Amino acid sequence: DARVTQTPRHKVTEMGQEVTMRCQPILGHNTVFWYRQTMMQGLELLAYFRNRAPLDDSGMPKDRFSAEMPDATLATLKIQPSEPRDSAVYFCASRSETYEQYFGPGTRLTVT
Amino acid sequence: GENVEQHPSTLSVQEGDSAVIKCTYSDSASNYFPWYKQELGKGPQLIIDIRSNVGEKKDQRIAVTLNKTAKHFSLHITETQPEDSAVYFCAASRGMGNTGFQKLVFGTGTRLLVSP
Repeated sequence: DARVTQTPRHKVTEMGQEVTMRCQPILGHNTVFWYRQTMMQGLELLAYFRNRAPLDDSGMPKDRFSAEMPDATLATLKIQPSEPRDSAVYFCASRSETYEQYFGPGTRLTVT
Repeated sequence: GENVEQHPSTLSVQEGDSAVIKCTYSDSASNYFPWYKQELGKGPQLIIDIRSNVGEKKDQRIAVTLNKTAKHFSLHITETQPEDSAVYFCAASRGMGNTGFQKLVFGTGTRLLVSP
């Protein structure tokens, strides 16, 4: 049963620390998304990649967030420095060529 | 760009009743419409989708209908069960065919509560 995996599932860190979240997309999916979910904002698209190339990161605060896809099996989202307002659940999703998009279980980030 | 509105924001039904969630979209070129179910503490799960070349699609107790003229689509759940309780999201995008790459635009979600 192919699925998107994310690590860590939970992260608690202090303000100012670097946070790295990792995602393994479904094998064969060439489009990868990063979303953030909060009660107030719902699902926000932060960035996405197609064939490992960044297509759009306009949803991401550029000064502190960065997203990369070093190879086809790994996507990363980094926050440096982290702030309390970054506390949220971060989801990775990958999409097939027939357009079905599947989400991972999420990383719950708490910045104190 | 695309804008998706979803109603109602909350829906309470008794077990066995039907539930209907409605979405409208603004971009007439949108041609792919998935629905997601999100349970507490989990990621959104794709439960059904419809493409613009069909008007209705069913999968056991769930069905989705699409009206392209009116630019709205709906999720229908029949014989609801307590395990159907979750937040449901609709979404819309272009992307099928050669209109270029387009991202999903999500509705704001409907919290469905099925009481035993």
